[in-house]
Amino acid sequence: GEDVEQSLFLSVREGDSSVINCTYTDSSSTYLYWYKQEPGAGLQLLTYIFSNMDMKQDQRLTVLLNKKDKHLSLRIADTQTGDSAIYFCAREYSNASKIIFGSGTRLSIQP
Amino acid sequence: EAGVTQFPSHSVIEKGQTVTLRCDPISGHDNLYWYRRVMGKEIKFLLHFVKESKQDESGMPNNRFLAERTGGTYSTLKVQPAELEDSGVYFCASTPQYTDTQYFGPGTRLTVL
Repeated sequence: GEDVEQSLFLSVREGDSSVINCTYTDSSSTYLYWYKQEPGAGLQLLTYIFSNMDMKQDQRLTVLLNKKDKHLSLRIADTQTGDSAIYFCAREYSNASKIIFGSGTRLSIQP
Repeated sequence: EAGVTQFPSHSVIEKGQTVTLRCDPISGHDNLYWYRRVMGKEIKFLLHFVKESKQDESGMPNNRFLAERTGGTYSTLKVQPAELEDSGVYFCASTPQYTDTQYFGPGTRLTVL
């Protein structure tokens, strides 16, 4: 299977919480990332977490890391229409030589 | 400060033609990376420059792809001859030396007909 896996689609109602899940196979990374790609735009680093942390919160964003299960999640509270985008889970590989990405989860917001 | 820029934003070519993509990293960033996303799949690493030297080109798919970074500033990625499976979005990223945050450009969408 792929190194970093995530579901392809998620649809939530405006105002609800969105939870995007990701699993990975290699636990050697120091950093794990969430990138956001809005329509027609480039990749924006949304947040990251050090591998020695379990949780990181930044305003509406909460990242949870379960190292035992190699599971990373991104929770977006009070999801807004502006959160519509593709969210990529990613991990660093070997001292910033490259980033390994998942396939991206397309988040759709229903009114 | 200007971010990473890429040119063109879109390119449509026929199979067998040649295309050259350009990336201008953030000024002063020694590390430059190329990635691509094909057919809605994962974004895959192509190669990594440190200044003008290729640090890691393990992701380059075949010898139809040639990347250069003369002078250690901007980089070009040439595909010659292009094949249908080369269609996708090509991203460029840069980082200052010895740091992990990669700043990405908007990407070039390549369509090979």
